[in-house]
Amino acid sequence: NAGVTQTPKFRVLKTGQSMTLLCAQDMNHEYMYWYRQDPGMGLRLIHYSVGEGTTAKGEVPDGYNVSRLKKQNFLLGLESAAPSQTSVYFCASISWGAKNTGELFFGEGSRLTVL
Amino acid sequence: DQQVKQNSPSLSVQEGRISILNCDYTNSMFDYFLWYKKYPAEGPTFLISISSIKDKNEDGRFTVFLNKSAKHLSLHIVPSQPGDSAVYFCAASASVEGTYKYIFGTGTRLKVLA
Repeated sequence: NAGVTQTPKFRVLKTGQSMTLLCAQDMNHEYMYWYRQDPGMGLRLIHYSVGEGTTAKGEVPDGYNVSRLKKQNFLLGLESAAPSQTSVYFCASISWGAKNTGELFFGEGSRLTVL
Repeated sequence: DQQVKQNSPSLSVQEGRISILNCDYTNSMFDYFLWYKKYPAEGPTFLISISSIKDKNEDGRFTVFLNKSAKHLSLHIVPSQPGDSAVYFCAASASVEGTYKYIFGTGTRLKVLA
């Protein structure tokens, strides 16, 4: 059972380049989230999705775009990378039910460096 | 405007003693509170949660206490073990516009000394 898988795990970009981070979950979860983690800042929500074909902005959406064409995949795109986007990115998912503990399931993270 | 705050960036505790990690929040609409543990180069892993209708939840060595009037929650680890050394994130969730949003604190780095 893979859970939440993120690719790539590491990437170095030059300023202005574009890239896409892929998040895949095999738990049939409806909700998916993208967070970034920076020193002293905790985890901040970039974008989220409540189901296939839907996306919404989180706390820090500027400079990022997302798509959820398939229920199991949530893509995070950087159209023109900036050094301020150097961070560790985490994808998470959840499926709410009557006995839910509220637990978000996280991927292992993708470390992105923008030079 | 930080809705979930962890005011202690780090904590050191002797092995076998109690570790107490604290978290404060400002939004009374939060309905779930969670603690996550994070090791370097790994994703956060769920530790324990508590619904806003309860004031205590226990799971083995881990107990979470919720004080709604003070908007404060704490995680107690007893006894602390060296393997507990990690960064602990407090999180709160609320249903907003048909979905659940999670707000995380900045984390507390716990070091358990052998």
